[in-house]
Amino acid sequence: AQSVAQPEDQVNVAEGNPLTVKCTYSVSGNPYLFWYVQYPNRGLQFLLKYITGDNLVKGSYGFEAEFNKSQTSFHLKKPSALVSDSALYFCAVRDWDDKIIFGKGTRLHILP
Amino acid sequence: GAGVSQSPSNKVTEKGKDVELRCDPISGHTALYWYRQRLGQGLEFLIYFQGNSAPDKSGLPSDRFSAERTGESVSTLTIQRTQQEDSAVYLCASSLESGRYYNEQFFGPGTRLTVL
Repeated sequence: AQSVAQPEDQVNVAEGNPLTVKCTYSVSGNPYLFWYVQYPNRGLQFLLKYITGDNLVKGSYGFEAEFNKSQTSFHLKKPSALVSDSALYFCAVRDWDDKIIFGKGTRLHILP
Repeated sequence: GAGVSQSPSNKVTEKGKDVELRCDPISGHTALYWYRQRLGQGLEFLIYFQGNSAPDKSGLPSDRFSAERTGESVSTLTIQRTQQEDSAVYLCASSLESGRYYNEQFFGPGTRLTVL
């Protein structure tokens, strides 16, 4: 069965520094990978996805993610963090059976 | 509508009562998902509808939980004989499926269920 892991419950980054939120996955076929963000008191929003093609995917709000097949990872990155990036981030994977599985989430704190 | 809507936004009920949660997906979206998010936790998959196919119910935690969808529109999640551990935010999402090109999900604001 497919699964996705977010090894960090919380990540703290100083404003202006680069940030990385980690995600690893396990699927039986080709992975379809997604990142979503949940701002306080707001619904989940789509950030970016990897289906096929370039390993570096660019998304909303200046975020990007790098698909690494050999390491089965899909880490979320941003070159320069903003305080407004503070939120809960979810990685998700979709396998051949069409069910989308979400990770447990990583809470990102950007320190001013 | 412009987005996925859910009703009610908040529901407080007594233990043992039945509740119905409603989701209106984005028009034209063939796929619809229900998730549960307990306080401080991640998203727990409950059920998935895709067009006229049989729904994937593998995430429903017990036979007290059921869901229906009318065609490619409204879905209702029903919880019978609610328990305190059912307290959570119930999220609905829809997406436009097109063959093997998987599109992102659009989430509703959720229904916060509190079982006293």
